Amino acid sequence: DVKVTQSSRYLVKRTGEKVFLECVQDMDHENMFWYRQDPGLGLRLIYFSYDVKMKEKGDIPEGYSVSREKKERFSLILESASTNQTSMYLCASVTSGYEQYFGPGTRLTVT
Amino acid sequence: GESVGLHLPTLSVQEGDNSIINCAYSNSASDYFIWYKQESGKGPQFIIDIRSNMDKRQGQRVTVLLNKTVKHLSLQIAATQPGDSAVYFCAEEDPGTYKYIFGTGTRLKVLA
Repeated sequence: DVKVTQSSRYLVKRTGEKVFLECVQDMDHENMFWYRQDPGLGLRLIYFSYDVKMKEKGDIPEGYSVSREKKERFSLILESASTNQTSMYLCASVTSGYEQYFGPGTRLTVT
Repeated sequence: GESVGLHLPTLSVQEGDNSIINCAYSNSASDYFIWYKQESGKGPQFIIDIRSNMDKRQGQRVTVLLNKTVKHLSLQIAATQPGDSAVYFCAEEDPGTYKYIFGTGTRLKVLA
């Protein structure tokens, strides 16, 4: 069974804080993704990684960075959180057969 | 509770009836598709997938149909249950990019 875990289900941060969202998968997958999901806008790709230390910008990378130091872990970093980054953040991991599995999500509120 | 999308099309189905949820995809070269179920406040759950060399694939109570001619995907849920209430959306793998393109979703409401 594929398991993707995210470090927090709910997070509240203040404007200007540095925020780390962690994602871990236990299936040795190479491809991992970070999305945000907002009502009316659906899923939008922030960043993805297809190997350790490799990263690619998605559709909305501004205000975010990522880190992939180990294959199982893909971190999303908000350097200076802003209220417009309040959202549901979803991590996903992809098998060699392209099956994409999501984590439970982190609901981030920036006040 | 939280909603994953505002103004989503809604399908209301009587408990025990069959549900059919539709999705149009964009790229005729796409060759891999996934259906997801997302309950309020949770991450999307992988339901079933299909590759372009197939027209139909069956799982437990679910069937996915692929019509490549009109770029259309459908998810059929047999004997719909209250626990099937959720938002359902499709995803297509964007060929050669590692990325996925997501449909906007349909909210399924199961009436008792």
